[in-house]
Order: sequence, then structure tokens, then C-alpha cells
Amino acid sequence: DAGVIQSPRHEVTEMGQEVTLRCKPISGHDYLFWYRQTMMRGLELLIYFNNNVPIDDSGMPEDRFSAKMPNASFSTLKIQPSEPRDSAVYFCASSLARGSGSETQYFGPGTRLLVL
Amino acid sequence: KQEVTQIPAALSVPEGENLVLNCSFTDSAIYNLQWFRQDPGKGLTSLLLIQSSQREQTSGRLNASLDKSSGRSTLYIAASQPGDSATYLCAVNRKGYSTLTFGKGTMLLVSP
Repeated sequence: DAGVIQSPRHEVTEMGQEVTLRCKPISGHDYLFWYRQTMMRGLELLIYFNNNVPIDDSGMPEDRFSAKMPNASFSTLKIQPSEPRDSAVYFCASSLARGSGSETQYFGPGTRLLVL
Repeated sequence: KQEVTQIPAALSVPEGENLVLNCSFTDSAIYNLQWFRQDPGKGLTSLLLIQSSQREQTSGRLNASLDKSSGRSTLYIAASQPGDSATYLCAVNRKGYSTLTFGKGTMLLVSP
């Protein structure tokens, strides 16, 4: 398997623009997680899905952030409108279900977002 | 709320040294604990996962221990090499939750 795939790898945009980040989890994984990493706050969970259903979005900072998982092989994280403070590295991760014997989360390479 | 702390924040050692990275967590009701490695500009790579019923896990030169009652874990790296230079993150999976809470990591530099 190619692992978790994220696109784009880098995104530079201007304040107020819409940003869409994409993720393809590892085939067969039940869980998908979106994280944000900054120097100040470290890695923070934004939202996660189980079998394509959003389970906990309490980490989503504001209504400007939204995430979808239309099928088992694709998820998007959208920021509209973007602001400079959204600049961070956004990671997607996936894992098998608890009790499967392998609950390790596998991370994608991340999308480095810069909002000017 | 679970909080995870890693000490030290940064560590610089000469090649060949054995070293210990520390992780502490506030809620001992955990399901498992994981250690990750992150290289600059890259994603996270899982190194070791310790279930709450286990005391330690080993992989090559790495050994991770878990003392759930005291809320502590250590990652021991034997005979460090320059290729071990990276940031090491500890993450805790609480019982009843499917999510990980991460520490801020220890940045390790191993000099030749």
C-alpha cells in the first residue's frame, strides 16, 4: 500500500480564500483523523471519522473549518475563509479499529499551509 | 482532560551514547501509548505501541517502557547514531476514546 496520501503538499494562499486539503487513507482502515501541527500548540486533533461518519469534531477551531468523508477512500478538510492564523501543517492519519490487533495510526506527509 | 508532557524538549548527544526520553501523562486510564518519530518536514512514523497491560516493547535499538500507575513512559535508545536525529513524540490513547493526545516532543540531535 502507498500509505496515507495527502494533497497538496504545500499551499500558499491569501487571506479570505478558500482552501481544500485532501486525504486518501490506507485501504481497509476504519478510522480517519485530521490533525493540525504548530510550533506553539503542537499536534492537535481537529476531527475524526469512523466508517466515513464524523464522530468528534470538537477540535475544529471555528465554523470556517469543515470536513467531509464521502467514501472510505477520500476525505477533505476545507477552510473558508482562510486567515493567517490558520497557517500550520495539516496531517491526515488512518488506522484500523480498536481490538484489531493493530491500532497504530499511520500518518500522511502533511500539507504545509501558509496564509498570507 | 488528558495532558502529555515530554522532557527534555531538546537533547544533543554524541554518537554512541545511550539515552532516555521521558513522557508523562495525567490520566492513567489509558488504552495504549505510542511513540512516534518525526523527521523535519515529514509526517510521523510509529516506532512502538505499548498496550495498557504491557510493561515494555522493544524494536531493535529502541525500548519503550510503561508505568501506568505513575503515568510515565520512557523511550530508551541504545548506541545512538546520527540517523536517529529527529523529533520523538509520545501519544496516549485514553480508554473509551479513539483519539490520541500528543506531547510536544523531544528534539534529538546525535552528532558524529
